[in-house]
Amino acid sequence: GAGVSQSPSNKVTEKGKDVELRCDPISGHTALYWYRQSLGQGLEFLIYFQGNSAPDKSGLPSDRFSAERTGGSVSTLTIQRTQQEDSAVYLCASSPVVTDEQYFGPGTRLTVT
Amino acid sequence: SQKIEQNSEALNIQEGKTATLTCNYTNYSPAYLQWYRQDPGRGPVFLLLIRENEKEKRKERLKVTFDTTLKQSLFHITASQPADSATYLCALDRGGYNKLIFGAGTRLAVHP
Repeated sequence: GAGVSQSPSNKVTEKGKDVELRCDPISGHTALYWYRQSLGQGLEFLIYFQGNSAPDKSGLPSDRFSAERTGGSVSTLTIQRTQQEDSAVYLCASSPVVTDEQYFGPGTRLTVT
Repeated sequence: SQKIEQNSEALNIQEGKTATLTCNYTNYSPAYLQWYRQDPGRGPVFLLLIRENEKEKRKERLKVTFDTTLKQSLFHITASQPADSATYLCALDRGGYNKLIFGAGTRLAVHP
């Protein structure tokens, strides 16, 4: 079956613009995670969804970052008034509620100029 | 807070040898620890999970050990192949809902 998909694969935006990143998890996976990976760095946890609710938003770097999930499926990560330090690869992962391994998408490479 | 240390220097080995990668953590012992493989431009791919009450876990040419006294996990690839060349990430749970903390990864290069 299909894996986790993310769109767009690449996004170049000007500083100050808003961007939306999309994640389509594996069908039936109730847990969904967003991470950020900067060059040469480990993955940084941003937010977690269980169904449509986000019990943990502690990783969001600032109030410019927000995320939502609808229908227990697709999730959107929105970054408002983008800054150059937001440039990174944004990765989405999903997992079935009862298992521990996470399935990652290919990521969205965001470049803020 | 929990910190994960993986060797930031690339590991270069000859084909056929065993590669050993190290993951050290500094604080509480996690309920479980995971290893992922990441190729350039791709998302991480799950390889193995080992729980705190397990000493060792194997899958084909892969072996993971977990020493909660040393606060260390070792990841071994036996009979390594050039196709094993990638970055390997160690990840620890933070409890509860599978919120993972990732190390920066170690890049492995297997030379023919």
